[in-house]
Amino acid sequence: GAGVSQSPRYKVTKRGQDVALRCDPISGHVSLYWYRQALGQGPEFLTYFNYEAQQDKSGLPNDRFSAERPEGSISTLTIQRTEQRDSAMYRCASSAHAEETQYFGPGTRLLVL
Amino acid sequence: EDKVVQSPLSLVVHEGDTVTLNCSYEVTNFRSLLWYKQEKKAPTFLFMLTSSGIEKKSGRLSSILDKKELFSILNITATQTGDSAIYLCAVEPLNSGGYQKVTFGIGTKLQVIP
Repeated sequence: GAGVSQSPRYKVTKRGQDVALRCDPISGHVSLYWYRQALGQGPEFLTYFNYEAQQDKSGLPNDRFSAERPEGSISTLTIQRTEQRDSAMYRCASSAHAEETQYFGPGTRLLVL
Repeated sequence: EDKVVQSPLSLVVHEGDTVTLNCSYEVTNFRSLLWYKQEKKAPTFLFMLTSSGIEKKSGRLSSILDKKELFSILNITATQTGDSAIYLCAVEPLNSGGYQKVTFGIGTKLQVIP
């Protein structure tokens, strides 16, 4: 079926606004990861879900960042009170099960002005 | 803290050349090393290496791991313009959660010119 999809693909927002980034994993994939990728850097782990359970949120930079996956499928990464330093590519990946190959989505490029 | 260092940072070659990309790492309780190819869209998986000295091969791409010296190489023979991309190396530690929590390097940007 279709690969991982993310929306929006681009988001420009003003400092202080909240943003919600959406990830649609491959159908049936149990595991879902969020990463942040700054320009010229590799992806940096943010958080991991196993079905709807957020098993690891150790990579979330601070409490302005949160994520949910309420029905074990679509996930939303929310950034409250955005700051310019939040500007980056936010990528989602899913895998059929934990420890299996991750398939990445195209990412959402966030620009905070 | 797990660490991945890739070299060179960028590389320009002509079509038909052979290239070797390097990845060195530090990780607590190593489980695997992964290579990804990142073009304009998403990183795509190339190889997972868990054992030293066993070459993984896919077409013109191959990779090998040295767990004693803590490095891996990715070889691309007879390069084509379609090989132009950023090649990312990542390491995965053993963790009790049983999921693939990886640390990526910053990548090697390869440009293949006709």
